[in-house]
This record gives sequence, C-alpha cells and structure tokens, in this order.
Amino acid sequence: DSGVTQTPKHLITATGQRVTLRCSPRSGDLSVYWYQQSLDQGLQFLIQYYNGEERAKGNILERFSAQQFPDLHSELNLSSLELGDSALYFCASSAGTTSGELFFGEGSRLTVL
Amino acid sequence: LAKTTQPISMDSYEGQEVNITCSHNNIATNDYITWYQQFPSQGPRFIIQGYKTKVTNEVASLFIPADRKSSTLSLPRVSLSDTAVYYCLVGDERSSASKIIFGSGTRLSIRP
Repeated sequence: DSGVTQTPKHLITATGQRVTLRCSPRSGDLSVYWYQQSLDQGLQFLIQYYNGEERAKGNILERFSAQQFPDLHSELNLSSLELGDSALYFCASSAGTTSGELFFGEGSRLTVL
Repeated sequence: LAKTTQPISMDSYEGQEVNITCSHNNIATNDYITWYQQFPSQGPRFIIQGYKTKVTNEVASLFIPADRKSSTLSLPRVSLSDTAVYYCLVGDERSSASKIIFGSGTRLSIRP
C-alpha cells in the first residue's frame, strides 16, 4: 500500500460528459502528480501541484483541469470526454517540489463509450 | 533531457537471474538513474535508485559503469510474481516531474 488513495477505481461514462477523479496523497506529502496511461501511449505526465499551486505542466489537454485543495487532496476534471480519453489515470505524491521517489495510487480506470 | 532506451520485452524462467539494461547516452552530471516496477492495472512502484557503481537493496541490484551511459537492473532468482513492466528513468532529483520520462518500459514475463 503506497498510502495514495484514488477514487473512483472504475468509471464508465459517455462521450461529451464530464468526470472528476480524486486523489489523496500520502500523509505529509505536499506534491501531487497526475499521469495518464493508455494502451498505446505509455505513462504520460499531465500536471503537478505543490502545496496548492501548479508546479509543472505536461501534455494536459485544455479540456482537462486540476486543482489541489488546502487539505492537499487533488482533483482532476475531465470534460467534453472523447473515446480517446479512455485510460488509466494515476495520481502520485512526493514529499517535496521535485520528483525524487514517487508514490503512486492504484489508479482510476476511465471508460468512455 | 536524458532519453532512455530499454528492451521492449524479455522472457525468463523462475529461479533465474534477470538483467535488464537501459541505455542513457546523454545522461547529465547531476542525473540519477531510477527504476520502477508496474504490475497490470496498478501504479508504478519505486524499486531502486543509483548514481554510480553498484546499489543493492532487498529487491534488486543496480549496476552503473563508470561512464554512466547505461545501467543494468538485476533481479536475482525471479518468480512468477516478478512479471511486470520495468521502467528506467533518468533525471536530476531536483528536476520537475515534467522532465522525468517513463517511456514504454520493458515487459518482463516469467514462466514456470
């Protein structure tokens, strides 16, 4: 158990819809990272937050947004969903502002029909 | 940005030692080499990290030659439960996560 909690574990929705994925980092970790993993793309870095502020941005679509709340949990919002957004979405956390050792959650599997 | 190259897949048998080599020709002076393991439908898990020579922990050993342009993850006496994807990452610990590339990894299959 990494200590990182993600909900929901599975989510099925339709194209055009909007979903929110939630992540609670390990106790004491200030950084939260979001990754997308689809079959043909490998693990893609989306965005990082540190203590409530955006720290780094990767290949995150404009239809996606994220935030980190004062209690350090984070949410990833995916809107106007397309079939190609079907993937596993992982959250990871670390103690500091830079990656170092990342602790990953078990992921949220999103299926867009 | 140091890019890594590793085999797409490897097969081995229970009880064997498995060595997975990663090439990182343009590794920078401050870069560390980190390996993660990922089981199907689970998040990656940190295995080992090193800077030079040899690092060993309860799970694996990491061998890094003097020029640091490659590294080898060694898994002693593998079992079926070692079947997973193994990622080699190179980066400065101070680097932003956006600069740490997971790549496609090496899919290791262990047979009875």
